[in-house]
Amino acid sequence: AQSVTQLGSHVSVSEGALVLLRCNYSSSVPPYLFWYVQYPNQGLQLLLKYTSAATLVKGINGFEAEFKKSETSFHLTKPSAHMSDAAEYFCAVSDTGGFKTIFGAGTRLFVKA
Amino acid sequence: EAGVAQSPRYKIIEKRQSVAFWCNPISGHATLYWYQQILGQGPKLLIQFQNNGVVDDSQLPKDRFSAERLKGVDSTLKIQPAKLEDSAVYLCASSSDRERYEQYFGPGTRLTVT
Repeated sequence: AQSVTQLGSHVSVSEGALVLLRCNYSSSVPPYLFWYVQYPNQGLQLLLKYTSAATLVKGINGFEAEFKKSETSFHLTKPSAHMSDAAEYFCAVSDTGGFKTIFGAGTRLFVKA
Repeated sequence: EAGVAQSPRYKIIEKRQSVAFWCNPISGHATLYWYQQILGQGPKLLIQFQNNGVVDDSQLPKDRFSAERLKGVDSTLKIQPAKLEDSAVYLCASSSDRERYEQYFGPGTRLTVT
C-alpha cells in the first residue's frame, strides 16, 4: 500500500525567502513521486516528477525536489519565493505503472510582501 | 494542444436530486480519471478508465455514483441521489499511454449539495 504525508497544512514565507514544503511517502514498491500545484478555482498542474532517474529533480517556476530513499522523503524547495507562488501544493505517489496515484492532503503556501 | 475540458464549472442541487458531470480529455489520451476533492483534502480517485474499460473503481460509491466512457473519449460521472457529503470539487484528468503517470487535470466542477 502507498501513502503520502505532507507536514504542515499551511506554510507562510516572506517574499524572497526560501520555500520548503515537506513530503514523506510510504510505498512497498519503487515509487514515482510528484508535486502538483493548484491555484484557486483551477485544476492541478504538474510541477515536477521523480521517475527513478536523477534524485534531484528540477521543475517549472524554479522549484526542485530531492528524492531521499533513506528518509522516504521528497521535499519541495525554491530558493526565493515570489508572490505568484501562493497556492496549494500536493505531493503524490504512484506505482511504476502509474495505475494508482495517491495524493497528500496538501499544503497551502502563503507569501507575504 | 487543448487541455482537459469539464462542464459545468459550478452546480448547486438539493439532496436526493441527481447531477451529471462531463469531461473531454486531451486528444489521444487513453487513460481518464475522475477524482473527488473535498475542501481541505487532496484529490481521491473515484474511477480510472483505460480506453473504454474500467481499471479501478474501488473507491466509487456504486450505490449512488456511476461513470461511463463511451467510445474511449468523453466521459460522464453521475450522482443519483446526491447527499450533503457529496459536496466537493470533481476533477477529471487524462494521461497518455507513453507517460501514464503524468496526469493533466481539468478545471473541475464544484458541486454544492444543500
